Amino acid sequence: DAMVIQNPRYQVTQFGKPVTLSCSQTLNHNVMYWYQQKSSQAPKLLFHYYDKDFNNEADTPDNFQSRRPNTSFCFLDIRSPGLGDAAMYLCATSRAGAYIQYFGAGTRLSVL
Amino acid sequence: RKEVEQDPGPFNVPEGATVAFNCTYSNSASQSFFWYRQDCRKEPKLLMSVYSSGNEDGRFTAQLNRASQYISLLIRDSKLSDSATYLCVVNMGSSNTGKLIFGQGTTLQVKP
Repeated sequence: DAMVIQNPRYQVTQFGKPVTLSCSQTLNHNVMYWYQQKSSQAPKLLFHYYDKDFNNEADTPDNFQSRRPNTSFCFLDIRSPGLGDAAMYLCATSRAGAYIQYFGAGTRLSVL
Repeated sequence: RKEVEQDPGPFNVPEGATVAFNCTYSNSASQSFFWYRQDCRKEPKLLMSVYSSGNEDGRFTAQLNRASQYISLLIRDSKLSDSATYLCVVNMGSSNTGKLIFGQGTTLQVKP
């Protein structure tokens, strides 16, 4: 059974129309991450939560926001998607103090 | 200079061949190292951790050279199912959050 679940698997949105991607986990891990991966590129960390503490990467655009209402769920909000935001968005989790991360299957976002 | 560098390939090899991938990292303070496998349009999955003494898992052998800041992955007796992108991954964050830095990945195509 999947332990890190992302919904939807595919998302199509219009230029400038806000979109929310969802991630849930059954592992009870403290840390949740959001990555952006474009074609033939490495996954790029956008931000992560350690429990309720939000940690933004310095180069993450303000257009990207996140919410973590409880341990199990984390959301990625893109306030005004641009064409350049089309990518695979990966959610991952880890236990505090552990380095191994477990990934969800990803949400592939298209922007029209 | 990228924090984690890999030759993107592609490496095209026949079934049964032995193939080696290399990776260099820039932060000498890095402590944890991994190889992840990513199939086309799927999420990264942990292949193996890399230890200073070197470690082997079946047909896969990983080596770490801290002095040279170099990591390698050797695949023996390649199978068609080994075709994927192999991501070199290095932990550079605090022990609490396990922040990972991904290389671009090396693509392997095993042919009959």
